[in-house]
Amino acid sequence: AQSVTQPDIHITVSEGASLELRCNYSYGATPYLFWYVQSPGQGLQLLLKYFSGDTLVQGIKGFEAEFKRSQSSFNLRKPSVHWSDAAEYFCAVGSIITGNQFYFGTGTSLTVIP
Amino acid sequence: NAGVTQTPKFQVLKTGQSMTLQCAQDMNHEYMSWYRQDPGMGLRLIHYSVGAGITDQGEVPNGYNVSRSTTEDFPLRLLSAAPSQTSVYFCASSYGLAGAGGTQYFGPGTRLTVL
Repeated sequence: AQSVTQPDIHITVSEGASLELRCNYSYGATPYLFWYVQSPGQGLQLLLKYFSGDTLVQGIKGFEAEFKRSQSSFNLRKPSVHWSDAAEYFCAVGSIITGNQFYFGTGTSLTVIP
Repeated sequence: NAGVTQTPKFQVLKTGQSMTLQCAQDMNHEYMSWYRQDPGMGLRLIHYSVGAGITDQGEVPNGYNVSRSTTEDFPLRLLSAAPSQTSVYFCASSYGLAGAGGTQYFGPGTRLTVL
């Protein structure tokens, strides 16, 4: 079965510092990969997604992610974090091999300190 | 465009009571889904629909019923609420299947507590 692992439950970074959130997936083929962000008390918003092709994907709000098949990873990065980036970040994987399946990781909570 | 709307925002039920969580979207999306979000577990797919009259089960369907009579609405029914159903529920809609990469648009959520 597909699964998504986000090893970091909580990360704290200083404003202006770079950020990398880790995501590992387990899947037999190349899945569809996503990063979503959830601000407190809000629904989720798509940051970016990967289907195929260029392994470096650009998203909204200055985020990017890199798909590495050899490491089964899809890490999210941002060169300079802003205070407004404080939120919960979810990696997700989609598949239609056996019906419509969509799995979220457990999330990484990001705190930004001034 | 209101996007995806959910009502109510908060609800408290007693064990055994029934209720319906409402979800509506005005983007003419064929695909709609219900998720529950529990601490430390991320979001899990409960049920989804690929169009009016067509629904299917997700990862955690037990204890929930759905129907889809119109493109716009996708209600989630709890027939006999249990404390294990205490959670935050999110509805989402998309142009394509979420599993096939369709970009999902999420509602603001319903926080349900079952006593």
